[in-house]
Amino acid sequence: GENVEQHPSTLSVQEGDSAVIKCTYSDSASNYFPWYKQELGKGPQLIIDIRSNVGEKKDQRIAVTLNKTAKHFSLHITETQPEDSAVYFCAASPQFGNQFYFGTGTSLTVIP
Amino acid sequence: DSGVTQTPKHLITATGQRVTLRCSPRSGDLSVYWYQQSLDQGLQFLIHYYNGEERAKGNILERFSAQQFPDLHSELNLSSLELGDSALYFCASSVEGSVGNTIYFGEGSWLTVV
Repeated sequence: GENVEQHPSTLSVQEGDSAVIKCTYSDSASNYFPWYKQELGKGPQLIIDIRSNVGEKKDQRIAVTLNKTAKHFSLHITETQPEDSAVYFCAASPQFGNQFYFGTGTSLTVIP
Repeated sequence: DSGVTQTPKHLITATGQRVTLRCSPRSGDLSVYWYQQSLDQGLQFLIHYYNGEERAKGNILERFSAQQFPDLHSELNLSSLELGDSALYFCASSVEGSVGNTIYFGEGSWLTVV
């Protein structure tokens, strides 16, 4: 099955700096890669996603890049704010089955 | 608010007991997924139902079972509970069960087994 690895497990940045979280996947058939943000005591919320026919996608301060050849994808958050502090999960969805495989999460702390 | 409703939010029970967690998907969503999240592990996929039928099974223990009813709500039954079953259980839903459908998570049910 698919194996998704996520790094780093913890990340601290100063407010206003950028944060980058990286994930790798093993199944070359995976073609959908969402990112979720989980705040304390809440369920994961979708923040951005990318499909395998696209190399980059942006939504305001958040962007995701995908390198299918290397089988890795990254989340970029620019101009970080304290409310960006949360746990972020990447996921990969193989071509069949619609089963999502999640990374182990990155705890992001934005220091005011 | 994702539109996915889970009850109860918190549950404390003793080892050996049985509990049922309930999930109402977003209006119009036919697929329901169950995930387990414990402190030392990430989000572990348990099971996926689509329009009442089981679609995929993940790391679900034999002591656990689930079903999706005609009104599309789903229940996850956990029996012979052990301390290690203490975790946050999430339900998620999506419109269909096919590839690339965005899934939306509920707020989760905190289960503590004592």
